Amino acid sequence: EDKVVQSPLSLVVHEGDTVTLNCSYEVTNFRSLLWYKQEKKAPTFLFMLTSSGIEKKSGRLSSILDKKELFSILNITATQTGDSAVYLCAVRPVYNAGNMLTFGGGTRLMVKP
Amino acid sequence: DGGITQSPKYLFRKEGQNVTLSCEQNLNHDAMYWYRQDPGQGLRLIYYSQIVNDFQKGDIAEGYSVSREKKESFPLTVTSAQKNPTAFYLCASKGSGVGNEQFFGPGTRLTVL
Repeated sequence: EDKVVQSPLSLVVHEGDTVTLNCSYEVTNFRSLLWYKQEKKAPTFLFMLTSSGIEKKSGRLSSILDKKELFSILNITATQTGDSAVYLCAVRPVYNAGNMLTFGGGTRLMVKP
Repeated sequence: DGGITQSPKYLFRKEGQNVTLSCEQNLNHDAMYWYRQDPGQGLRLIYYSQIVNDFQKGDIAEGYSVSREKKESFPLTVTSAQKNPTAFYLCASKGSGVGNEQFFGPGTRLTVL
């Protein structure tokens, strides 16, 4: 059974801090790992990672995958209050007719002014 | 505007009643998904559908039913057999092709009294 574990469960920082969110996984025939940001309702897509060592970057957010150690990190630099959200990590295996994702429990980030 | 809509946003029902949650998309996506999210937890897959008139059980299908009579619509019925129906329900859809990610609707919060 595929498994995704995120840490920490929750995190409180102040504006301007840098945070690192962790995602470890166990999946048969890994295809891709995805990060989503969930503020109040719908998760919004951030990154999809398929190859080890290649950093994906979008503004202050970046993410990297280590397929050998089976984990990914999501970095947020110079955090802002608008970064407060639950960050979800999900994996997708190769042989997956339904393109199903297995999600981790999420990390709740709170950024204080 | 293209997107996924879910209705209603909030739903209250008495125990023992069936209730149907709506999910509509105009993205021309073939695949659609229903997830359940409980407080402090990640998303768990209830049902998914890759094509019209076809759907498959996810990890927690017991007590739920779906239909996919139209490409745009994937309603979820929470039946009285579902023991703990109070949760946040998210619908998602995905286009065909590698790299297309799941896009989520705004969710429906169901409270069973």
